[in-house]
Amino acid sequence: QSVLTQPPSVSGAPGQRVTISCTGSSSNIGAEYDVHWYQQLPGTAPKLLIYGHINRPSGVPDRFSGSKSGTSASLAITGLQPEDEADYYCQSYDSSLGGYVFGTGTTVTAL
Amino acid sequence: EVQLVESGGDLVQPGGSLKLSCAASGFTFSGSTLHWVRQASGKGLEWVGRVRPNFNNYATTYGASVKGRFTISRDDSKNTAYLQMNSLKTEDTAVYYCTRGGSGWYYDLWGRGTLVTVSS
Repeated sequence: QSVLTQPPSVSGAPGQRVTISCTGSSSNIGAEYDVHWYQQLPGTAPKLLIYGHINRPSGVPDRFSGSKSGTSASLAITGLQPEDEADYYCQSYDSSLGGYVFGTGTTVTAL
Repeated sequence: EVQLVESGGDLVQPGGSLKLSCAASGFTFSGSTLHWVRQASGKGLEWVGRVRPNFNNYATTYGASVKGRFTISRDDSKNTAYLQMNSLKTEDTAVYYCTRGGSGWYYDLWGRGTLVTVSS
């Protein structure tokens, strides 16, 4: 049972901006634990997309950006590309559970 | 090449045991925290547990659903981490990924995963 909630799916036309929300609570995102994002292309392992709320690892296109406010975080894709069709997961740490937690996951579709 | 390679996945009966391995290469394994994350077919990601490096006394922590049944260990001389799974349940059926923990408690390197199927 995930403690970080994401919308099941989001979609947009190529070139549009889409956002994915990640809603947590006072024991994870609200407790100032970092939020990270992963992209999972079909049939492959997840890949780190954003770490520490806003940082992109080397090689990640700058159309991907992250933000955080209060007990929620967001991932934005500015200028959606067909190759961005994938599942996206947020991740943080939860002090009540004493462990790491993932979001429920969001499937992004380019219409 | 910097990589993690899991192995050991198999079909096992409920109540049985299985041990997965994660072989690392291309980076300083002994100084890294290693995690296991699993994903049931068509489902989301679930953190299983982690083992910290020597200078953190090889400390381990587990998720609630596996605590008391699963054990994570490592052999730094072989650059390999392990996941010993006992008292397996059908709900443990998943692809198990080995991941490297980054300094900010994120996972910056993933293996391709190994499939564990628990079924009679």
